[in-house]
Amino acid sequence: GAVVSQHPSWVICKSGTSVKIECRSLDFQATTMFWYRQFPKQSLMLMATSNEGSKATYEQGVEKDKFLINHASLTLSTLTVTSAHPEDSSFYICSARAAGQGDYNEQFFGPGTRLTVL
Amino acid sequence: GNSVTQMEGPVTLSEEAFLTINCTYTATGYPSLFWYVQYPGEGLQLLLKATKADDKGSNKGFEATYRKETTSFHLEKGSVQVSDSAVYFCALSGQAGTALIFGKGTTLSVSS
Repeated sequence: GAVVSQHPSWVICKSGTSVKIECRSLDFQATTMFWYRQFPKQSLMLMATSNEGSKATYEQGVEKDKFLINHASLTLSTLTVTSAHPEDSSFYICSARAAGQGDYNEQFFGPGTRLTVL
Repeated sequence: GNSVTQMEGPVTLSEEAFLTINCTYTATGYPSLFWYVQYPGEGLQLLLKATKADDKGSNKGFEATYRKETTSFHLEKGSVQVSDSAVYFCALSGQAGTALIFGKGTTLSVSS
């Protein structure tokens, strides 16, 4: 149980185009999903927190108009990188927190999406 | 704010050697502590966790004890295998519903 999927697993796009990445909780309802970015050989940096049915909360320095996050249902959150540029090339990872965990905060991670912008 | 500091790698060991990866944290209140592992080409997997002081998390031969007095959560394994080669991340969660805060990761390479 507690499986999170991401689609696509990798994508190559041209500079200036937009790319949508999906994050799905397959066997549980996720009240909260998180989007991280991981640079090569570095740690995960939180980009935003998304709660179902409300606007995402972005971390300082993350452009909300560039990285559009939608959490339309309890099992799906999407990250759209708009007008992508080569510096947006990175590994994007989502995680999901299951509903009903109370004070417990285990999160389940997707396998990540490798974005390369040419 | 909350933060996690873990030893920088890479850590290179021979098979069956003892492993320690140090992790210390700064946090207000009583965070939950986690170790995640990322195998080459894969996503993060939870390795073990501890939710309160003196708890010991364990899994696959790995152990870590939540030490509040030293604000540490060091990862240990008595005898590593080649298949343990991966990147290990220490993380904390300050409150339920908040994002995890990760250390920078430690690359472990085990040779036979």
